[in-house]
This record gives sequence, C-alpha cells and structure tokens, in this order.
Amino acid sequence: NAGVTQTPKFQVLKTGQSMTLQCAQDMNHEYMSWYRQDPGMGLRLIHYSVGAGITDQGEVPNGYNVSRSTTEDFPLRLLSAAPSQTSVYFCASSYSRLGSPSYNSPLHFGNGTRLTVT
Amino acid sequence: AQKITQTQPGMFVQEKEAVTLDCTYDTSDPSYGLFWYKQPSSGEMIFLIYQGSYDQQNATEGRYSLNFQKARKSANLVISASQLGDSAMYFCAMRSTRGSNYKLTFGKGTLLTVNP
Repeated sequence: NAGVTQTPKFQVLKTGQSMTLQCAQDMNHEYMSWYRQDPGMGLRLIHYSVGAGITDQGEVPNGYNVSRSTTEDFPLRLLSAAPSQTSVYFCASSYSRLGSPSYNSPLHFGNGTRLTVT
Repeated sequence: AQKITQTQPGMFVQEKEAVTLDCTYDTSDPSYGLFWYKQPSSGEMIFLIYQGSYDQQNATEGRYSLNFQKARKSANLVISASQLGDSAMYFCAMRSTRGSNYKLTFGKGTLLTVNP
C-alpha cells in the first residue's frame, strides 16, 4: 500500500540548474497538489490539479511548473533553481466526488523532498 | 480569507497524561473540514483526525479526540494517555469549498514533547 510516493528524498542543486521532483499516487485520487514547507511560514500551496490535463496555480507558483498527463503522476519542475527555493517539498493527494475535491477529504502526503539550492 | 491559529508554540506533557493542543479558525464558509496532522522529526505528515462543520458529535480516533466548539470556532486536539512516540509537531488545518484551489490552510504548529 504505497500511497503517495515522492522522489528524490534529498537533492542539492546549484543556482540556475533545473530539476523535476516526482510524485505518484496509487489511490486513484483526482486531486493532487504541491506544497513547500519553510520555517515560520508553514505549508504553502505551489500548484494543484483537479484531474488529468488540468492544473492551476496556488499561492507561490513562481519558478515552478507542473503537468498532469495521468491520474497517478504529478511532477513539479524547477525551471532555474534559486536559493529562495531551498525548502522541503510535499506532494499531497485527496479523494474527489463527482469530479470536485471534497472539503471533508484529508490530504494524504508523500514523505517530502528536502531541496537545497546553493 | 481562511485562517488557522495555534497559540502554543510548544507544549510539554508527562507520559501517560492527557494533553490538549489548541486550535482556532476563521472562515466565512459554512461548509468546511478541520484536520489535525502529526509531523515527527523524520518529517512526514501524518493525518490524525477529521471534523466536519456539520458534524454533531466530536470526532475520535483511538487516543485522539477533537473538541469541536463551532460557536467559538475552535477545534482542539486531545491526546489521551500520551506516549513517548507522540513527541512531534502537530498542525491544525482547514479545508473549505470557498475559493477554487481546495487547499489546506495550516496553522504554524505546536511542538509537543512527551517526558518519561
């Protein structure tokens, strides 16, 4: 019972490099999202998707791209890494009812990716 | 706008005692869900318990219960019979239908330390 799987667990990048954080879930959840967690800032929503082929921006989308070609996968791309993107990144998914995420469905989180940009 | 407030940055409790972690929220949406998550030092986010805005009874899950006072807009987490493994950061969060991103709004968390 894998749930939400994120890779890699740790990553160090140099400023200007690009990379993709992978996220996959096996719960057939239509809603998927990416958060970043920073000390004193809590968890903030980067991007989200309500289904395959549909993505939208969250609170802090600048510098990140996403795509959703399948229900299972929701990768997060850093286009040109900056030190301000040093953070812990979480992918999360939840159940949807009749195509709409439900307010009473908990988000299930992956184990996180700790990213350092030097 | 939605807001979650956790006023206790840190709490200490003796093993086997009960502890209450405070959470207040603010929203104008009549339909919302309240969640508690545990984040141990290993970093993962673990879902603990859920309370819906229309639920008449307080939620319980094993040693966790949620003291939901809708008029006061509070959703305190009660952990009974604390164990050393309960030492972790605890986050209160809310999700509602208002707004289109269906996000969870998190509080800043409470760091719980269970002493032997």
